[in-house]
Amino acid sequence: QQQVKQSPQSLIVQKGGISIINCAYENTAFDYFPWYQQFPGKGPALLIAIRPDVSEKKEGRFTISFNKSAKQFSLHIMDSQPGDSATYFCAASSRGGGADGLTFGKGTHLIIQP
Amino acid sequence: EPEVTQTPSHQVTQMGQEVILRCVPISNHLYFYWYRQILGQKVEFLVSFYNNEISEKSEIFDDQFSVERPDGSNFTLKIRSTKLEDSAMYFCASSEWGTTEAFFGQGTRLTVV
Repeated sequence: QQQVKQSPQSLIVQKGGISIINCAYENTAFDYFPWYQQFPGKGPALLIAIRPDVSEKKEGRFTISFNKSAKQFSLHIMDSQPGDSATYFCAASSRGGGADGLTFGKGTHLIIQP
Repeated sequence: EPEVTQTPSHQVTQMGQEVILRCVPISNHLYFYWYRQILGQKVEFLVSFYNNEISEKSEIFDDQFSVERPDGSNFTLKIRSTKLEDSAMYFCASSEWGTTEAFFGQGTRLTVV
């Protein structure tokens, strides 16, 4: 019940295209859903996060869509650029924010082809 | 820009030895965390620390592990009697408050041989 399932494991998108990564969860106590971006040799960096009182949050080219009834959330990267090539992790916690007790997905290795 | 720094970047230790991984959180942050990532697997929560005590820990964080804030700037993770399966990347993170954005360090790669 604590799992967060992430797909796909890897994704190749052409420059300018839309990258979509999906996550699903079971624990209805989760109330905070961040996405992290990780470049090789670096730690995860918070990209964007959402709480279940909204269905969508947009920051620049990055959008989280959240479906509370389906217990799913997804990251959309619009106009994907080669610099977006990285590993993306979805996560969830029941702490309302921060990094306390985050449950991470297994990650998606995204490659943007020029 | 303030950042979380971790030392060493890579540590090799023999099975059964004790290791201490060090972290310097961002200076005005009050909440501190350790996570680990076994190669090719997901990032896993170990422990959170606030006000000089553990506030939350996972099942992974057993008696083999301990954390300490020995002075006003460092935050350490001690692993006693290391095992082969402790080999992983260990990430320290800090946040100003418990529900605000957490910043991760670049990690310490621990290799137990």
